[in-house]
Amino acid sequence: RKEVEQDPGPFNVPEGATVAFNCTYSNSASQSFFWYRQDCRKEPKLLMSVYSSGNEDGRFTAQLNRASQYISLLIRDSKLSDSATYLCVVNPLTSGTYKYIFGTGTRLKVLA
Amino acid sequence: DTGVSQDPRHKITKRGQNVTFRCDPISEHNRLYWYRQTLGQGPEFLTYFQNEAQLEKSRLLSDRFSAERPKGSFSTLEIQRTEQGDSAMYLCASSLGAAGTNEKLFFGSGTQLSVL
Repeated sequence: RKEVEQDPGPFNVPEGATVAFNCTYSNSASQSFFWYRQDCRKEPKLLMSVYSSGNEDGRFTAQLNRASQYISLLIRDSKLSDSATYLCVVNPLTSGTYKYIFGTGTRLKVLA
Repeated sequence: DTGVSQDPRHKITKRGQNVTFRCDPISEHNRLYWYRQTLGQGPEFLTYFQNEAQLEKSRLLSDRFSAERPKGSFSTLEIQRTEQGDSAMYLCASSLGAAGTNEKLFFGSGTQLSVL
């Protein structure tokens, strides 16, 4: 089983739609969770950290479910500029080291 | 430009040759990471440094790969006897890590390696 798993998509949604991605992780002791965004042929950039109580940043909401070992990202009112690959990132914190494990990414295409 | 800088941007080499990539992190960042990314996949962890100490290496990092960060500033990643399977984007990231915080990784633009 992969340490971090995501549905690769692509998710094709119309502008204004709400779309949600899930990501599962295998190490129940994982402590830190993030969503990164990667545009085509560009480097990944941090979108948001994911906190235990869930958190929101504008149109983006991130949730953590420790019992089921998954995190989610909800995008409301999708814009064309949201088209990108969304990478789920987990720090397993094994032996106290800071190794960030990326999922394969979920491709989102927002259509006009 | 005060971001993470990687050099070269592109490298084409013949199978069996050695290659070396350089990464200059953001100056005050104490942690430096190397990742490898192939098309359609997420970045795959290779190794990371805290200051000059290499704290973890992926088991995917064979003995042909070596990374250094001699003075805790820039880092180099060397691949010896390159193979076609080494063709990928090699990404460097740095962060200002502190215990108990959610650190943000800043990535460079990467070095695209093509092994012919």
